[in-house]
Amino acid sequence: GAVVSQHPSWVICKSGTSVKIECRSLDFQATTMFWYRQFPKQSLMLMATSNEGSKATYEQGVEKDKFLINHASLTLSTLTVTSAHPEDSSFYICSQGTGNTDTQYFGPGTRLTVL
Amino acid sequence: DAKTTQPTSMDCAEGRAANLPCNHSTISGNEYVYWYRQIHSQGPQYIIHGLKNNETNEMASLIITEDRKSSTLILPHATLRDTAVYYCIVRAPPNTGTASKLTFGTGTRLQVTL
Repeated sequence: GAVVSQHPSWVICKSGTSVKIECRSLDFQATTMFWYRQFPKQSLMLMATSNEGSKATYEQGVEKDKFLINHASLTLSTLTVTSAHPEDSSFYICSQGTGNTDTQYFGPGTRLTVL
Repeated sequence: DAKTTQPTSMDCAEGRAANLPCNHSTISGNEYVYWYRQIHSQGPQYIIHGLKNNETNEMASLIITEDRKSSTLILPHATLRDTAVYYCIVRAPPNTGTASKLTFGTGTRLQVTL
């Protein structure tokens, strides 16, 4: 399957700062990438759909001005958590679809801790 | 996408087959059944998917009932490394122009023991 990487794998930041998370597809060009977050002991929740060269589509309840998504190339999408607060502490995971089956492959995730 | 129902947790002895059931009674005729698993603190890993026919790959087998209202994921010889949360997901067919997003339920926590 496709290989997806994320950077950083974990980050700790102070409240009020912004954090950028990168998601790269290493062996496939993805026109669409997805961003999820997962709180402890909960399932993954889709945050937004990232389309290369256009604006992201956000799920209901996700603030687009707080979670900025940029998908400037077919191999890179970034999620920026602006003015992070402790309640934004979570596990952020990206995924991309591949080929005709459109099977999604996930990155290893980024654990964000906001102090 | 159709909703799925899975048992909250299951145990399996190492070396035995692990059979994980999933109910998806409201599945539409063109929706696929996908299985992913998530090992602690990692991103989900794709396992297998199918439409009508049973499927097998190097990781697992997928058995879909004739009426497609339920399916079973089979890990033929479970190992300790198979301990994870297993998600059964029903989604729209690929390349339909609709969003290919996945809706995760709570999954089944499989514990493989010695």
